[in-house]
Amino acid sequence: GENVEQHPSTLSVQEGDSAVIKCTYSDSASNYFPWYKQELGKGPQLIIDIRSNVGEKKDQRIAVTLNKTAKHFSLHITETQPEDSAVYFCAASPFSGGYNKLIFGAGTRLAVHP
Amino acid sequence: NAGVTQTPKFQVLKTGQSMTLQCAQDMNHNSMYWYRQDPGMGLRLIYYSASEGTTDKGEVPNGYNVSRLNKREFSLRLESAAPSQTSVYFCASRLGGENTEAFFGQGTRLTVV
Repeated sequence: GENVEQHPSTLSVQEGDSAVIKCTYSDSASNYFPWYKQELGKGPQLIIDIRSNVGEKKDQRIAVTLNKTAKHFSLHITETQPEDSAVYFCAASPFSGGYNKLIFGAGTRLAVHP
Repeated sequence: NAGVTQTPKFQVLKTGQSMTLQCAQDMNHNSMYWYRQDPGMGLRLIYYSASEGTTDKGEVPNGYNVSRLNKREFSLRLESAAPSQTSVYFCASRLGGENTEAFFGQGTRLTVV
């Protein structure tokens, strides 16, 4: 089945710096790659997603890149702010099960220090 | 707009007891999911239901059963709880299986003693 690996597990940056989180996936037929942000005590919420026919997508300070050949995708946060501190999860939607599954990475705890 | 509602929010069980976690969504979504979240292990898929009337195993189904009661509701049952099932459980739903956003509930924190 699909396996999603996420690195690093923790990331500490100074306010204003950039943060990069990387994920790899195993099922080459996976076609949808969302990123979720989870704040303390809450359920995860989608922040950005990318589909397999797109290489890069931006939304203000957040961008995601996808390299299908290498089977990896990354989240880039620029000009980080303290409110960006949270746990971030990547996920992939594999072909097995008709793309109905959503398999998550282990998460990255991001701390942005003022 | 409630979105995805889970009950209860907190629960303490004794080893061997049974319980059912309830999940309901009001977004007319077809697919629903149960995940467990443990420190350092992310969100692991327990079971999912691609559409009303179907259920399938995820990554960690052992010790759990599910019921897709109707399009709105998807319950998770622990028949004989074990300490290894201590976790935070999240229910999620998506409009369709492919390329659509998943919406999560607030979670149920379960402790088995």
